[in-house]
Amino acid sequence: EVQLVQSGAEVKKPGESLKISCKASGYRFTSFWIAWVRQMPGKGLECMGIIYPDDSDTRYGPSSQGQVTISADKSISTAYLQWTSLTASDTAIYYCAKSSNGRVFEVWGQGTLVTVSS
Amino acid sequence: QSALTQPRSVSGSPGQSVTISCTGTSSDVGGYNYVSWYQQHPGKAPKLMIYDVSKRPSGVPDRFSGSKSGNTASLTISGLQAEDEADYYCSSYAGDYTFEVFGGGTKLTVL
Repeated sequence: EVQLVQSGAEVKKPGESLKISCKASGYRFTSFWIAWVRQMPGKGLECMGIIYPDDSDTRYGPSSQGQVTISADKSISTAYLQWTSLTASDTAIYYCAKSSNGRVFEVWGQGTLVTVSS
Repeated sequence: QSALTQPRSVSGSPGQSVTISCTGTSSDVGGYNYVSWYQQHPGKAPKLMIYDVSKRPSGVPDRFSGSKSGNTASLTISGLQAEDEADYYCSSYAGDYTFEVFGGGTKLTVL
């Protein structure tokens, strides 16, 4: 069974750093894209970026470029989303999703709630 | 403001059919046959229901169907059931140097 299991909820203060994870199982991790999708409270979905774990080809959405870092560790089939300095506007649920082609998100993780508050 | 426009809400009675629209431009919906639809129940992750305008992943009931005309894509749910009550999001490919763009979501209420 294809599964994406994400790390648990986080509560952080503005200015702090954070790295959340997405562990894949049930398929060849290096052969499919992983996307990170943000859902702000009560809002819709936004693709932040995608990574192809085999060669770490990474592409960022226009609102994410320079704000976050997406990475992957092939040896443990895990993708990451990282911030160096969080702000309150980063408060959201973050989903990872598996994609065959970088545009159709076939399987989703359960989501990680990130709350940034002073 | 989302890139694709969806109605905020639609409703229907059990057994009826409802259609949710998703309007974009010639740069996204109208330019490619790459529209997807996702279902999201409260507190849950989205689930892929339709891809490439009208294809259904394995396990998705054939009550769900997709179509496209010009810059507008549509998701039709026939034989409405209580468990169909959820938020529905469309998305579209928008070219090599941009990303999948999403609609703002439509809340489906089964009366």
